[in-house]
Amino acid sequence: DSGVTQTPKHLITATGQRVTLRCSPRSGDLSVYWYQQSLDQGLQFLIQYYNGEERAKGNILERFSAQQFPDLHSELNLSSLELGDSALYFCASSGTNYEQYFGPGTRLTVT
Amino acid sequence: KNEVEQSPQNLTAQEGEFITINCSYSVGISALHWLQQHPGGGIVSLFMLSSGKKKHGRLIATINIQEKHSSLHITASHPRDSAVYICAVEGVSQGGSEKLVFGKGTKLTVNP
Repeated sequence: DSGVTQTPKHLITATGQRVTLRCSPRSGDLSVYWYQQSLDQGLQFLIQYYNGEERAKGNILERFSAQQFPDLHSELNLSSLELGDSALYFCASSGTNYEQYFGPGTRLTVT
Repeated sequence: KNEVEQSPQNLTAQEGEFITINCSYSVGISALHWLQQHPGGGIVSLFMLSSGKKKHGRLIATINIQEKHSSLHITASHPRDSAVYICAVEGVSQGGSEKLVFGKGTKLTVNP
């Protein structure tokens, strides 16, 4: 158990819908990262937050957004969903040693 | 060309064999990570290293910064080592971000 929690574990939704994925980092970790893992693209970095502020952006679509709240949990919002958004979404957190601890992931299926 | 290349893509071994997985990268890095992903999907961080060598149990990771190359070794392999092993790098000069760039992974199957 990495100490990082993600909810929900599985999500099935229809095209055009909007979903919210939630991540709680390890106690004390200030950084949260979001990654997408699809069959054709592999693992890709989406976005990083540090202590509530956006620190870096990767290959994140405009339809996707994220935020980190004062209690350090983070949410990834995916809107106008398309079939190609079906993937595993991982959250990771890190502290002062910069080692990243991954959550169990949310499997999103868009039908 | 991907920034991070792993080889082999697939690897099948017999229990007890010594395993080596290789990772080459083309950018300057501040650190390199080895991750393990089990069939259920969960990802575990095995090593983070920026120089030299690290060892945890039967796993050894090495990195050569000048050659931009890292290896992950598994000694006395066991069927429970069957998983996908992923190499990921943190680039330098990223404005303080530790975002990772991933290789495509090496699928290891260890047969009893």
